Amino acid sequence: DVKVTQSSRYLVKRTGEKVFLECVQDMDHENMFWYRQDPGLGLRLIYFSYDVKMKEKGDIPEGYSVSREKKERFSLILESASTNQTSMYLCASSLSLSGVNEQFFGPGTRLTVL
Amino acid sequence: KQEVTQIPAALSVPEGENLVLNCSFTDSAIYNLQWFRQDPGKGLTSLLLIQSSQREQTSGRLNASLDKSSGRSTLYIAASQPGDSATYLCAAGVGNEKLTFGTGTRLTIIP
Repeated sequence: DVKVTQSSRYLVKRTGEKVFLECVQDMDHENMFWYRQDPGLGLRLIYFSYDVKMKEKGDIPEGYSVSREKKERFSLILESASTNQTSMYLCASSLSLSGVNEQFFGPGTRLTVL
Repeated sequence: KQEVTQIPAALSVPEGENLVLNCSFTDSAIYNLQWFRQDPGKGLTSLLLIQSSQREQTSGRLNASLDKSSGRSTLYIAASQPGDSATYLCAAGVGNEKLTFGTGTRLTIIP
């Protein structure tokens, strides 16, 4: 079974702090994704990566950056956290860029910015 | 731009009944359609993936269908159980491995 893990289930940070969210997958998947989930808005794609050191902006990249130095690890960075970034963050992975692959999700990180 | 809608937002059904969850999408040019389950405060669990060339997929008590021409997918759950209570999300594959999600249907199975 594919396993996607996220570094923290719950995180509380202060406005202006730099925040790192880590995601690791163990199935040698090429693609990794970061989403945020908010009530009434559903899941929205922040960034995704289809290879090491490759990244593409999703629908809502403002205020975020990402890093993928190793194939199994994809990090989401909030350079200066703000209260409107309080949300549930979900990481996912899929096998390749064929366009037909299933996405597998991690357990999520509930981030609160005070 | 693809839009995915799930109606109703919430549904309550007595245990043992069969039920259907609905998903509609605006652009029929999809690569695939994926159904997920989400328990409160948790991540998403993949249930079924239907490729664009397929009409349905089955896993146990779950059956998902896809009608691209009408822009609809349904998730059929047979003989519902209290453990089926969760939020069910559908997502349309829109190319380059990206998914567009609906906002989900929160299902409650009443014992």
